[in-house]
Amino acid sequence: SQTIHQWPATLVQPVGSPLSLECTVEGTSNPNLYWYRQAAGRGLQLLFYSVGIGQISSEVPQNLSASRPQDRQFILSSKKLLLSDSGFYLCAWSVQTGYTFGSGTRLTVV
Amino acid sequence: AQTVTQSQPEMSVQEAETVTLSCTYDTSESDYYLFWYKQPPSRQMILVIRQEAYKQQNATENRFSVNFQKAAKSFSLKISDSQLGDAAMYFCAYSNYGGATNKLIFGTGTLLAVQP
Repeated sequence: SQTIHQWPATLVQPVGSPLSLECTVEGTSNPNLYWYRQAAGRGLQLLFYSVGIGQISSEVPQNLSASRPQDRQFILSSKKLLLSDSGFYLCAWSVQTGYTFGSGTRLTVV
Repeated sequence: AQTVTQSQPEMSVQEAETVTLSCTYDTSESDYYLFWYKQPPSRQMILVIRQEAYKQQNATENRFSVNFQKAAKSFSLKISDSQLGDAAMYFCAYSNYGGATNKLIFGTGTLLAVQP
């Protein structure tokens, strides 16, 4: 079966510290992968998407970056976190038109 | 660019009653997909229902059904026999048909409360 793993579930980081959120997919090959962010009480904003290894497209200029070192691995990173990076981050994958979301990471930058 | 609009930030319904959540969208494409996602307090995104634009028949999933009006670019969700477990944030979403990316574009959500 197809599953998606996202960790950690909760993260509290100081301003200026680095960030690495990881997402892995099982049970599928060559999926499209996505990182979304949801601010408190808001909708989901697409941050990055990837259609293949090493292929990253950015939707919004920001303090974050993404990488896809393996077919089923998608990483969201930052060298120096800002307060405005706080939010709920969701990883998702799609093969055709079915989307599956990870359980999310709640990031609080203090 | 495609946009999705949900004009009802909050809605309330009595248990066992019916409620309709509204969604409008804008696109110049003729083929696309529309979705309703449910986000309970756990914040897990759960697919409720999906509609293909080329299908005239409205999608249904048990107590959930949609009213898809392509010309009006309207896609409302009807929840029948509402249950306490239906309380959640509901997001309407759009995706182009085909293409390499199939990005999901979300509305701002409607918070549904179910009163016992």
